Amino acid sequence: KNEVEQSPQNLTAQEGEFITINCSYSVGISALHWLQQHPGGGIVSLFMLSSGKKKHGRLIATINIQEKHSSLHITASHPRDSAVYICAANFGNEKLTFGTGTRLTIIP
Amino acid sequence: NAGVTQTPKFQVLKTGQSMTLQCAQDMNHEYMSWYRQDPGMGLRLIHYSVGAGITDQGEVPNGYNVSRSTTEDFPLRLLSAAPSQTSVYFCASSYSGQMNTEAFFGQGTRLTVV
Repeated sequence: KNEVEQSPQNLTAQEGEFITINCSYSVGISALHWLQQHPGGGIVSLFMLSSGKKKHGRLIATINIQEKHSSLHITASHPRDSAVYICAANFGNEKLTFGTGTRLTIIP
Repeated sequence: NAGVTQTPKFQVLKTGQSMTLQCAQDMNHEYMSWYRQDPGMGLRLIHYSVGAGITDQGEVPNGYNVSRSTTEDFPLRLLSAAPSQTSVYFCASSYSGQMNTEAFFGQGTRLTVV
């Protein structure tokens, strides 16, 4: 069965801390997406990757195909990073399977 | 470039009423999809389309209807609203039907069925 699991469910950290959010999936994938959902509700794509590592500003996404695991890192976290972060996997078909999200709160 | 435009943002329906959620994209994307988001669950696919004239069911299609007469538009119809359809709905599009290109999402529709 195609499954995606995220951890932790909730994460609270102090401003400036290094943040890691994890995503594991059950079988081989063709692509993995990291998304951000702000309190207003809109969803924005952060990364789409199928191997290696991508970086955009203070955000870094990595994927380990052999271990079926991806991580999203945030360096020098800021209160504006507070959001729900969602990973979603494409298991080689025309659909995405979503994790349940990680709610991140950054305290000033 | 407007991206993905989804309307309305909020809607309250009475049980048994019907309505259409609108979704339009101006990026010439082949792939469009509708999801519902419920507390404690990941987004779940309702229906999707890989091009004009082609639609298919997702994970939770019952009670919903779609059509794709143009590349730009992908409306979602609730045939006879039920309280179980209270949810937040998102429309999304992607250049590739294989979902291995960036996904763009609408702002969401918060639907309450009373």
